[in-house]
Amino acid sequence: KQEVTQIPAALSVPEGENLVLNCSFTDSAIYNLQWFRQDPGKGLTSLLLIQSSQREQTSGRLNASLDKSSGRSTLYIAASQPGDSATYLCAVGNFKTQGGSEKLVFGKGTKLTVNP
Amino acid sequence: AAGVIQSPRHLIKEKRETATLKCYPIPRHDTVYWYQQGPGQDPQFLISFYEKMQSDKGSIPDRFSAQQFSDYHSELNMSSLELGDSALYFCASSRSYETQYFGPGTRLLVL
Repeated sequence: KQEVTQIPAALSVPEGENLVLNCSFTDSAIYNLQWFRQDPGKGLTSLLLIQSSQREQTSGRLNASLDKSSGRSTLYIAASQPGDSATYLCAVGNFKTQGGSEKLVFGKGTKLTVNP
Repeated sequence: AAGVIQSPRHLIKEKRETATLKCYPIPRHDTVYWYQQGPGQDPQFLISFYEKMQSDKGSIPDRFSAQQFSDYHSELNMSSLELGDSALYFCASSRSYETQYFGPGTRLLVL
């Protein structure tokens, strides 16, 4: 059974700092890994998707890496801003033998606070 | 760009009542997923449909059922509601093995 762990559970940094959020998973037979952002009481915004054949993806100030063999992914946020304050969720999708995509298994998230 | 649409956005029900949540996936997406996120919890997978057939089933109570219709929209039917069913219910859609796009969620409160 896939289990996803995110460390740290909470992180508070001053504005402008570069930071790394960590995600680990127990079953390396994943098809893809997604990073999401969730603001309090709101929906899930997809930030980056990494396919299992890829090592990293970049979008603006965000860079996500994937090391499938070690079961780890990191989300790097450069030059953090107060608007980046949110909960960041890592989710993995495993291979599915039947048609369609596998469900996502989520970590419990890292709550990020960027202080002005 | 079109996004996943969920209705209603908010729902208040009494215990033992029934609720129906609706999801309209992004056009040309072939898979729909339902997730439940309790207060302070991570989203938990309930059920998914691929090309209108049930594809996978997670921790969905027997009191809940779902289906996907010919126009690809999906409905989650929840009966005999309990206080513990209060949660944010997300629908997501994707094309096979691509990014799952999540709807804004339906916030269900059971009193």
